[in-house]
Amino acid sequence: RKEVEQDPGPFNVPEGATVAFNCTYSNSASQSFFWYRQDCRKEPKLLMSVYSSGNEDGRFTAQLNRASQYISLLIRDSKLSDSATYLCVVNMFLGAGANNLFFGTGTRLTVIP
Amino acid sequence: DAGVIQSPRHEVTEMGQEVTLRCKPISGHDYLFWYRQTMMRGLELLIYFNNNVPIDDSGMPEDRFSAKMPNASFSTLKIQPSEPRDSAVYFCASSLRSSIGSRSGANVLTFGAGSRLTVL
Repeated sequence: RKEVEQDPGPFNVPEGATVAFNCTYSNSASQSFFWYRQDCRKEPKLLMSVYSSGNEDGRFTAQLNRASQYISLLIRDSKLSDSATYLCVVNMFLGAGANNLFFGTGTRLTVIP
Repeated sequence: DAGVIQSPRHEVTEMGQEVTLRCKPISGHDYLFWYRQTMMRGLELLIYFNNNVPIDDSGMPEDRFSAKMPNASFSTLKIQPSEPRDSAVYFCASSLRSSIGSRSGANVLTFGAGSRLTVL
């Protein structure tokens, strides 16, 4: 089982729609969570961190469900510029010196005019 | 700050040739990571350095791959000899504080623009 799993999509939604992505993680000791955005042929960039209480940044809302071990990203009022791949990233403490940061393979979103 | 700088941006080479990818991290960042990204496997961590010292190279596919960080502002990833299955985008990333080995780590990785490698 992969440490972090995402639905690869693609999600094709019309402008103005609301879309949600989920991501599940395998290690219950995971400490922190992030969503990164990657545009076509570009590098990943941090979109937002995900806090236990949930957090919002404009049209973007991130939620964490520790009991079910998943995080979500909700995008409201989709814009054409939201078209990208969204990577779920989880920090799991596996011991001193071990790699803790795990990336999902990404969910591809296309917003259609 | 210019961000993380990688070169070359694109490289096309023939099987068996040596490939050297270069990275300049953000000044002051003490962690440097090399990732490889393919459609099938997504982002895979190859190796990371802390204060120029390799800490975990368990992601390096095989002996054909090697990485060095001779100083705080420069790192290389070398593939010798290259094979078609090495074709991928190779990203370098740096971080001021790493999640590696830390319970409270909440670092933010800054990625370079990547080096797109095609081995024919």
